[in-house]
Amino acid sequence: ETGVTQSPTHLIKTRGQQVTLRCSSQSGHNTVSWYQQALGQGPQFIFQYYREEENGRGNFPPRFSGLQFPNYSSELNVNALELDDSALYLCASSLSADPGTGELFFGEGSRLTVL
Amino acid sequence: QQQVKQSPQSLIVQKGGISIINCAYENTAFDYFPWYQQFPGKGPALLIAIRPDVSEKKEGRFTISFNKSAKQFSLHIMDSQPGDSATYFCAARRGGSEKLVFGKGTKLTVNP
Repeated sequence: ETGVTQSPTHLIKTRGQQVTLRCSSQSGHNTVSWYQQALGQGPQFIFQYYREEENGRGNFPPRFSGLQFPNYSSELNVNALELDDSALYLCASSLSADPGTGELFFGEGSRLTVL
Repeated sequence: QQQVKQSPQSLIVQKGGISIINCAYENTAFDYFPWYQQFPGKGPALLIAIRPDVSEKKEGRFTISFNKSAKQFSLHIMDSQPGDSATYFCAARRGGSEKLVFGKGTKLTVNP
């Protein structure tokens, strides 16, 4: 059984650029959540995807968007990057018959630096 | 608005000692309270979790104490080991919600 895998592990972008981060769910998991973790802070919820539909969103602007694919893998896209977007982006998967009930398993994250 | 307040920010304990980390919450709709452990360069890993229908849950050296009336919960690490040195996060989730709300974390250092 493979865990949650994320790519790339590190990347550097400049302000105004766009970035796509990728996540492969743990085997058998149907729900993916994305979190942003700024340095020295706890993770903050961005959004969750369940059965390829967005199932809830945190306090993030529309330039943060996502997708979930039929194999339950997921992408996080961020447009018009700002310096404050520099953070560790965490993907978490869970197996939920109903959203909000599953235990979350986190990947190791993608470290984004915006210059 | 910080929905889950965690303290202390950092904690230094001697090997064999007890580490105690506290969290407080405001939203009485929260019904799931996990603790996560995060090592540098890694994602958070679930350590132990509790629901408010019990006051204590123990797994090995790790215990969650839960006080529903005070809206507080804490993590106790017995016989702390240098390998326990990590950042610990408490979190909470409202029933039926997809969103975990995290505390700001506690950096634990266990000296040999």
